[in-house]
Amino acid sequence: GEDVEQSLFLSVREGDSSVINCTYTDSSSTYLYWYKQEPGAGLQLLTYIFSNMDMKQDQRLTVLLNKKDKHLSLRIADTQTGDSAIYFCAAGLDSWGKLQFGAGTQVVVTP
Amino acid sequence: DAGVIQSPRHEVTEMGQEVTLRCKPISGHNSLFWYRQTMMRGLELLIYFNNNVPIDDSGMPEDRFSAKMPNASFSTLKIQPSEPRDSAVYFCASNPSTGELFFGEGSRLTVL
Repeated sequence: GEDVEQSLFLSVREGDSSVINCTYTDSSSTYLYWYKQEPGAGLQLLTYIFSNMDMKQDQRLTVLLNKKDKHLSLRIADTQTGDSAIYFCAAGLDSWGKLQFGAGTQVVVTP
Repeated sequence: DAGVIQSPRHEVTEMGQEVTLRCKPISGHNSLFWYRQTMMRGLELLIYFNNNVPIDDSGMPEDRFSAKMPNASFSTLKIQPSEPRDSAVYFCASNPSTGELFFGEGSRLTVL
């Protein structure tokens, strides 16, 4: 089955860019997502990219997809303290919503 | 829209007791998912429904766990009897057939 891996921790200074990386194993994955989880809350969809795209930009967020290497990244420009959270990468084969989640990357933003 | 609504938000119970977690998905969403989140195992998919029918329950840990979706606006996850290792945050999520999941705020379960 699908396996999704991501680094567990990232520390970044306020105002710098953050880059969170993720790899997945199933080349048939069509739907790729980034979710954000703040303490005590559920997961909130941040952005997504389909497998027929290489890049997607949404305000401060940029998603890059390298299908050959099955590598997904999320770049947050001008990182703010409010960006401190756990970020999950998720991959799915279809629109049914059955997603495989990574373990999450804890992002800590320091002043 | 109120989003996915879960209850209770917090539950503390003693080992052996029955626990029932409830979920109201977003109106019009066709699929509903139950996830469990722990520090050790991360997010685990327990079961999901499409049009109220269970599609995949292979993630349900054992027979002590059961889930139902009697109608399009309500689902329950029941644990009987509960054990300390069931302590976790249980999330419900729904999907409008676009692939993305909309999560509830979760039910934090502590079994003593």
